[in-house]
Amino acid sequence: AQSVTQLDSQVPVFEEAPVELRCNYSSSVSVYLFWYVQYPNQGLQLLLKYLSGSTLVKGINGFEAEFNKSQTSFHLRKPSVHISDTAEYFCAVSEGQAGTALIFGKGTTLSVSS
Amino acid sequence: DAMVIQNPRYQVTQFGKPVTLSCSQTLNHNVMYWYQQKSSQAPKLLFHYYDKDFNNEADTPDNFQSRRPNTSFCFLDIRSPGLGDAAMYLCATSRGLLGTGSYEQYFGPGTRLTVT
Repeated sequence: AQSVTQLDSQVPVFEEAPVELRCNYSSSVSVYLFWYVQYPNQGLQLLLKYLSGSTLVKGINGFEAEFNKSQTSFHLRKPSVHISDTAEYFCAVSEGQAGTALIFGKGTTLSVSS
Repeated sequence: DAMVIQNPRYQVTQFGKPVTLSCSQTLNHNVMYWYQQKSSQAPKLLFHYYDKDFNNEADTPDNFQSRRPNTSFCFLDIRSPGLGDAAMYLCATSRGLLGTGSYEQYFGPGTRLTVT
C-alpha cells in the first residue's frame, strides 16, 4: 500500500530565507508525485508534479522539487520565501490510474514571518 | 477559465437533517472525486465517478451518497449528518483516458460543512 510521510508538521521561517519541506513515500509500484498548496478555507492548488523524466521539477510561485527514487523522497524547496507563501502544503502520491485516490501526507504548515 | 466550482462555500445543517453539496466543472473531465478533509488533517477520498460508473471507497460510511446526472455536475448527499461529519468537502476532477493514467487532480474551493 502507498503511504506518504511529511516529516515536519510545522516549518517557521523568516521572509527571504530558503525553505525545504520534506516528503517521503512508500509504494511497491511506479508512482506519480505531487505537491499541493492550500490557503485557509480554500481548495488545493497544484504546485508541481513529477510524472517521469527529469528528476528536478519546477512549479509555480518559484517552488521546485527533486524526485529521488533511491531515497523515496520528493522534497519541496524554495530559495527565498515570501509572507504570501504562508499556507498548508501537502505532498501526494498516485499510481496514476484514473479514479485512484491521491494519497496525501498529513501536511506541513509553512509560516513565514517578517 | 476552466474550473471546478463548489456551492455553497459554507453550509450549516442540523444534526440528522439531510444535506446536499454540489460540484460543477467546466474542464470536461470524465472523472470526478469527493474528498473529506477534517480540521488539520489530509483529504481523504470518499468515492469517485469514472464517467457514469460509481466507485465507493471501502471505508466510506453508508451515510454518504453521490449522484452524477451528467458530465459537468456531481452531488454529495449526506443522509443523516452527525457531528463527526463536520468537515471541508472537496470536489476534484481529472481526465481519465482508457489505458493510461489520469495524473493530476484539479480541486474546487471546497464546501465547509457545520453540523449543529
